[in-house]
Amino acid sequence: AQSVTQLDSHVSVSEGTPVLLRCNYSSSYSPSLFWYVQHPNKGLQLLLKYTSAATLVKGINGFEAEFKKSETSFHLTKPSAHMSDAAEYFCVVSGNNDMRFGAGTRLTVKP
Amino acid sequence: GAVVSQHPSRVICKSGTSVKIECRSLDFQATTMFWYRQFPKQSLMLMATSNEGSKATYEQGVEKDKFLINHASLTLSTLTVTSAHPEDSSFYICSASKSRGWTEAFFGQGTRLTVV
Repeated sequence: AQSVTQLDSHVSVSEGTPVLLRCNYSSSYSPSLFWYVQHPNKGLQLLLKYTSAATLVKGINGFEAEFKKSETSFHLTKPSAHMSDAAEYFCVVSGNNDMRFGAGTRLTVKP
Repeated sequence: GAVVSQHPSRVICKSGTSVKIECRSLDFQATTMFWYRQFPKQSLMLMATSNEGSKATYEQGVEKDKFLINHASLTLSTLTVTSAHPEDSSFYICSASKSRGWTEAFFGQGTRLTVV
């Protein structure tokens, strides 16, 4: 069994400041972990993924995430937020032919 | 690449009618396909998992007779919402994986269903 907890339902930052979206996971397997972004009325776009290679994963649009097994975390970060980053973000865990979504974090970026 | 195409992107149907949504893997063979439902401002809820050539496995609480899933080929799965009602209005998303021992799934663009 596996599950994902996104610790914040809503994060608000000012443009140009760092972004931190938190994700903790639980899995009986060696998990693969993903972050997806969804803009309003759009499908999912893959930001980055961890699949047992390097623990620090760099993704698109300046995002990165670090897999920390001891903390069962996979937090998403970006050094400087842009207005276009405002969207819904989903942390996902997969393994053993099963994929589970977190509840999502809505990121608001203030000018 | 790994492209999944979902069609239609939007559909409006009358209450009591049925609507079919297609999910195609364009450049790979999808051994497993997944169907999700997403309510406004909520996460994706897995409805069912289907393996090519076998019956879909539905999540608890999902009505099999209402949401018919067919995965007849390695590149196509369909979701048919039968006798649709306004409460079935939602955003439906499919995804597909390349192998049974998969670690990643690829998502379609989603279908906005509105039942009037």
